[in-house]
Amino acid sequence: QKEVEQNSGPLSVPEGAIASLNCTYSDRGSQSFFWYRQYSGKSPELIMFIYSNGDKEDGRFTAQLNKASQYVSLLIRDSQPSDSATYLCAVNDLKSGGSNYKLTFGKGTLLTVNP
Amino acid sequence: DGGITQSPKYLFRKEGQNVTLSCEQNLNHDAMYWYRQDPGQGLRLIYYSQIVNDFQKGDIAEGYSVSREKKESFPLTVTSAQKNPTAFYLCASSRASLYGYTFGSGTRLTVV
Repeated sequence: QKEVEQNSGPLSVPEGAIASLNCTYSDRGSQSFFWYRQYSGKSPELIMFIYSNGDKEDGRFTAQLNKASQYVSLLIRDSQPSDSATYLCAVNDLKSGGSNYKLTFGKGTLLTVNP
Repeated sequence: DGGITQSPKYLFRKEGQNVTLSCEQNLNHDAMYWYRQDPGQGLRLIYYSQIVNDFQKGDIAEGYSVSREKKESFPLTVTSAQKNPTAFYLCASSRASLYGYTFGSGTRLTVV
């Protein structure tokens, strides 16, 4: 059973539209949730994190968390061609001997914003 | 400026050779990690270390070795036992998973 699942895409949206990226996770005890953006050939960059149920907004980005449904999403408003990248969802992993230092990553969703 | 530095950016290895990838951080983070990324495979954990002189195997540790003699440094050796070493290698560090990881810029290893 996969622990963090994302639709691999590609997700294609026109410039100016809202892009919606989704992620589900299996560990009900997870406490912290992250979205990373990775441009082709580059390393991942943290863009959002969320710990509590509800919405968290930062500029054009909104992270949404629903722990009851084990679901986290990222909305990108007014999408720009520069937002074209792979978006990785990550969740903290409470297994493996009680370690709270590991994150489990989804495989990522490729987003393409068309001018 | 604080950050995490990986070197070299590109590395070429002949079959049968061991190579060492460098990872240094000045963020005063306790934990450090090595991931491998292949096209379509996502990030796969090789090794991680929570404290100096201690490290644990990740999901794909075979053919790799690490050391953690200093808090700032976590080098990865790709040994000749690793059959498919061509990949993009990412080092990361973290204060705790509650705060997420900071990634280095990566090393792209190619076997020639």
